[in-house]
Parts: sequence; structure tokens; C-alpha cells
Amino acid sequence: DTEVTQTPKHLVMGMTNKKSLKCEQHMGHRAMYWYKQKAKKPPELMFVYSYEKLSINESVPSRFSPECPNSSLLNLHLHALQPEDSALYLCASSQDYGQIETQYFGPGTRLLVL
Amino acid sequence: AQSVTQLDSQVPVFEEAPVELRCNYSSSVSVYLFWYVQYPNQGLQLLLKYLSGSTLVKGINGFEAEFNKSQTSFHLRKPSVHISDTAEYFCAVTSSYGNKLVFGAGTILRVKS
Repeated sequence: DTEVTQTPKHLVMGMTNKKSLKCEQHMGHRAMYWYKQKAKKPPELMFVYSYEKLSINESVPSRFSPECPNSSLLNLHLHALQPEDSALYLCASSQDYGQIETQYFGPGTRLLVL
Repeated sequence: AQSVTQLDSQVPVFEEAPVELRCNYSSSVSVYLFWYVQYPNQGLQLLLKYLSGSTLVKGINGFEAEFNKSQTSFHLRKPSVHISDTAEYFCAVTSSYGNKLVFGAGTILRVKS
């Protein structure tokens, strides 16, 4: 099973809303990632969790708050977003971090901020 | 730091024709190279990767790529494309110092009948 699942598939929210994106993998991977992909652009790394600890934060605004409740789950909490935050949010996982491991991507959550 | 340049933003090709998607990288250290495919409204799927060893790498769906260190290139090829290959293709690089993927801008492959 090389599947990374993400929910919801689509999300529309206002600038005052609070919402969460969820990501799950059951491959026993110990590294999980959040990427943001704007239209017609490549994915950009936001956060990396390694062994459930935040390893990398690519200077992401605090209105994005990641959480890793356990080794299989990764959340991204959203609050007071701006319209320019509308994008496809991709989750990925790999066996480990700091090694040359393949990252497996989920299908993404397409977010629209009104 | 690593960087990736995909030389073509769009590549139109007729069905059953061969195709080459170009990727050049720059890095001061040893690199590891990947090609991912993204079908419309989907996430990224790994096509193939080069870590070490043979410079000709075969991947899924009949794709292959050749690592050329002297030309700092990792071009993706397929001898005969299908309509279903229409997608966006991303070249990506990482180094032995971590698993941070740096993506190119992407190449949209449009296969026409």
C-alpha cells in the first residue's frame, strides 16, 4: 500500500473561518510533508515532520499551523487565511528524512479562500 | 543550493510519436534526481528516480531518463506516447544533505490524436 490520503478534496472558506486539512498514511513512514501548489506552479515545501516532530518550517505564516498527532496522521490547521492562500495543498510521506527516500504524494486538497 | 530548469513549459506531440522533456540541474554537491507526473486535478506520482549506478533509468508507463553529469541533465523520454500521457511533468532534485525536494517549473505534455 503506497497510498497517502487527504481530506477534504475541496474546501471553500472565508477569511474568518477556521478549518483543518487532514493527511493519513499507513506505510510506516516517519517523515511527512506539507506542500503548497499554486496554479501553473511547482509544489513548494511548507513543513516537514520527522518522527512526529517539526523539522522544517519554510517561513510559513502563522495562519498555517501544522500538527502531527501520531506517526500516521498530519493535520494543517487554517485560520484567518487570505485569498492568495488559495491553492492545492499536497501532503507527502517518506520512509525517513535525511535519507534519499522517495516521497509519496496524496491527491491534494484544493482550497479556495473567499 | 540546488536548482532545476525545465526548458519547455509546454510540449505538444502527436500520439505514437516519441517525446523528450528536458531537465537541467545545478548543484555543488552530489544530487539525486526525480521525475514526477501530475495528471489534471490529482497529486504527484513518481515516474522514476536516479540515485546512483546506471545512468539510464527506467520508470513506469514506458518512460526512461538518462543522467548526464557532464551536461548536468536528466531528460525524460518515451518512444511512443499515448493520449493518456497528457499531464504535467516535474523534474526534481535533492542532495545527500536532506530530503528537501526542489522542483522545476514543470512541463505540460499535450498528446494530440
